[in-house]
Amino acid sequence: LAKTTQPISMDSYEGQEVNITCSHNNIATNDYITWYQQFPSQGPRFIIQGYKTKVTNEVASLFIPADRKSSTLSLPRVSLSDTAVYYCLVGDSKTNAGKSTFGDGTTLTVKP
Amino acid sequence: GAVVSQHPSWVICKSGTSVKIECRSLDFQATTMFWYRQFPKQSLMLMATSNEGSKATYEQGVEKDKFLINHASLTLSTLTVTSAHPEDSSFYICSASRQEISNQPQHFGDGTRLSIL
Repeated sequence: LAKTTQPISMDSYEGQEVNITCSHNNIATNDYITWYQQFPSQGPRFIIQGYKTKVTNEVASLFIPADRKSSTLSLPRVSLSDTAVYYCLVGDSKTNAGKSTFGDGTTLTVKP
Repeated sequence: GAVVSQHPSWVICKSGTSVKIECRSLDFQATTMFWYRQFPKQSLMLMATSNEGSKATYEQGVEKDKFLINHASLTLSTLTVTSAHPEDSSFYICSASRQEISNQPQHFGDGTRLSIL
């Protein structure tokens, strides 16, 4: 299973764009990259998933370079409610029984 | 989006009690369900992988006789913590996925806070 590395914590201010990068040097050909958000005492919530290049949805963008050894989650104009832990997962539902290993995650703190 | 319901959300019980936690996928058929454990300020640790109709696969160091997993249908998996002790107190989270299709993310329940007195 691919191991992921993220910054332990990040601080930002309301209205700023936040970019969180995840390193996954041993990503496999079949692996997808998925980002989750977790609030205290809740399960992780799906944010976005991608395989290569750029993916955008209503809440975030995901940038994946050609070598796929890293990815960057971009949150536009964050608010206080975006304060949470963000995890990137690397894996595929059809490979390795769909297992992925959670890294330590990035604790994002948004300040007023 | 896909909804996974976990019940109960909070359990407090005496040492020696067995506790059952249910995980249901409400709007899709989950061929695979995962059970995680999370301690305060730590990441999620995978305990076991549960496939419908077959025995669960446990991660190294997880006692299968302690944490009984049943995945009897495509929408329900249960985790039973047998003879629970204070060291079993933790936040347990399940997720569901469709293993037969590629590119299917895990969808998580809201977790169960287990406190053993």
